[in-house]
Amino acid sequence: DQQVKQNSPSLSVQEGRISILNCDYTNSMFDYFLWYKKYPAEGPTFLISISSIKDKNEDGRFTVFLNKSAKHLSLHIVPSQPGDSAVYFCAAARDNYGQNFVFGPGTRLSVLP
Amino acid sequence: KAGVTQTPRYLIKTRGQQVTLSCSPISGHRSVSWYQQTPGQGLQFLFEYFSETQRNKGNFPGRFSGRQFSNSRSEMNVSTLELGDSALYLCASATGGLSYEQYFGPGTRLTVT
Repeated sequence: DQQVKQNSPSLSVQEGRISILNCDYTNSMFDYFLWYKKYPAEGPTFLISISSIKDKNEDGRFTVFLNKSAKHLSLHIVPSQPGDSAVYFCAAARDNYGQNFVFGPGTRLSVLP
Repeated sequence: KAGVTQTPRYLIKTRGQQVTLSCSPISGHRSVSWYQQTPGQGLQFLFEYFSETQRNKGNFPGRFSGRQFSNSRSEMNVSTLELGDSALYLCASATGGLSYEQYFGPGTRLTVT
């Protein structure tokens, strides 16, 4: 049973436009969420996080939105750049449970010049 | 600040053998987590060590074990290797405190033949 889902395996966006990556989770006990991007042959790179007490967190071109009632979060990238082309993972954890993160399967983003 | 390092980067072993992987976290980080990444299962949490103690454990058999040293460096051991253990093994480093942000190393690619 997948506790963290990323239902879009891939997404293509034009350079300069907005990229929206979605993530759904089933465990209402999750309190903390992270987004990572991963290039081939490299480990995942931390992008942005959000705790369940917030509904939005912004860092430069990256914004994460959390809708707890819908158990849904999304990552917005504005404007999208070709260097953003990578696989994006969302991950969730329960507060006070240390680093036991559950990862989604990932969404491959392609930003077209 | 140096990032997370993992050694070796690539490893080929035969079924039935054992293997030890090493991870050096970011300086000052006390938490080290290990993940297995396979095409079919995605990123799966193995275990987390904090201050030389295993703080969290995922759903992997006892053949997978780890330890952490006083300098926070961590090793992961897999005994009696099976073909299905072929994967990318990633370690992630975190402060271990209130921040859950974790930073991944490049991974060790293990191939079992």
